[in-house]
Amino acid sequence: DQQVKQNSPSLSVQEGRISILNCDYTNSMFDYFLWYKKYPAEGPTFLISISSIKDKNEDGRFTVFLNKSAKHLSLHIVPSQPGDSAVYFCAASAGNYGGSQGNLIFGKGTKLSVKP
Amino acid sequence: ETGVTQSPTHLIKTRGQQVTLRCSSQSGHNTVSWYQQALGQGPQFIFQYYREEENGRGNFPPRFSGLQFPNYSSELNVNALELDDSALYLCASSPALQETQYFGPGTRLLVL
Repeated sequence: DQQVKQNSPSLSVQEGRISILNCDYTNSMFDYFLWYKKYPAEGPTFLISISSIKDKNEDGRFTVFLNKSAKHLSLHIVPSQPGDSAVYFCAASAGNYGGSQGNLIFGKGTKLSVKP
Repeated sequence: ETGVTQSPTHLIKTRGQQVTLRCSSQSGHNTVSWYQQALGQGPQFIFQYYREEENGRGNFPPRFSGLQFPNYSSELNVNALELDDSALYLCASSPALQETQYFGPGTRLLVL
């Protein structure tokens, strides 16, 4: 049973427009969420994170929104650039504030293509 | 500051063999986690080591084992390889528990 779901395998966006990547989770114990970006033949690169005590976190062109009641988070990229083309993984962990192993549960990823 | 490195980059083994994968953590990081990423899937947590002790384990059988050394480098050992073990194996280091994990480029293992 998948605890972290990324229901869109792919997304295509025009350069300069907004990219919105979505992620749903089922485990209410998750209290820390991360987005990673992965290029082919490279490991995942940390992008941005958010704790469950916040509903928004912004870093430059990247903003993550968290809706705890809906168990949903989204990553907004504005403006999108061709170099953003990659696979984006949503990840979650439980117990960051209670002290636990901190292992990450990943979704299957969404492949973003930004067209010039 | 060097990032997380892994060796080898690619490996081919046959069913039943044993394999050791290596990971060098980012400088100053005392926590390392290992993940398996099958084709078309997200990474799956195998286990985590903190200061040379196992600190959590995912749903993987005991033939997956690990070590963390005093310099915080790490090994993943897999015994009695099966065809389904073919995957990208990623290690990630973090400065401490519950800190952001930074991934290496991975080792791609093919079991024939």
